[in-house]
Amino acid sequence: DSGVTQTPKHLITATGQRVTLRCSPRSGDLSVYWYQQSLDQGLQFLIQYYNGEERAKGNILERFSAQQFPDLHSELNLSSLELGDSALYFCASSARTGGGTEAFFGQGTRLTVV
Amino acid sequence: QQQVKQSPQSLIVQKGGISIINCAYENTAFDYFPWYQQFPGKGPALLIAIRPDVSEKKEGRFTISFNKSAKQFSLHIMDSQPGDSATYFCAASISNAGNMLTFGGGTRLMVKP
Repeated sequence: DSGVTQTPKHLITATGQRVTLRCSPRSGDLSVYWYQQSLDQGLQFLIQYYNGEERAKGNILERFSAQQFPDLHSELNLSSLELGDSALYFCASSARTGGGTEAFFGQGTRLTVV
Repeated sequence: QQQVKQSPQSLIVQKGGISIINCAYENTAFDYFPWYQQFPGKGPALLIAIRPDVSEKKEGRFTISFNKSAKQFSLHIMDSQPGDSATYFCAASISNAGNMLTFGGGTRLMVKP
């Protein structure tokens, strides 16, 4: 158990809908990262938050957004969903934002868009 | 642009054999190179990591070899066991730029008993 909790584990929704994925980082970790894992794109970095502030953006679509709350949990919002958004979405957390700090991954949310 | 290339995509090794997975990177700003192990239905878990100031790091049966001039690094799994069957990802990050990971494409390892 990495200590990173993601809910829900599975999500099935229709095209055009909006969903929210939730992540609780390890206790004390200030940095949260979101990654998308798909068969064709592999594991790709989406966005990072550190202590409530957005720190870096990767290959995140404009239809996707995220935030980190004062209690440090994070939510990834996916809207106007398309079939191609079906993927595993992972949250990872680390104690710091730099220095080669180990990132701990949650078990992921499997999103299926039908 | 794929900044970290990983090979092979799949690998079958006999129990007790050596598994070797290779990665090459393009961005010379990368300064942290972890390897992650992922079992089906689980998130990636850190296996071992190296910085470019050393050429080799060993932890138990797992060894990273690093060649800075060639911009390549590899994972060696000695005495491979069926329990090592998983997908392995190399990754790279820039320590002072948020530490977000750029992953290789993954290698699916199967260790036959």
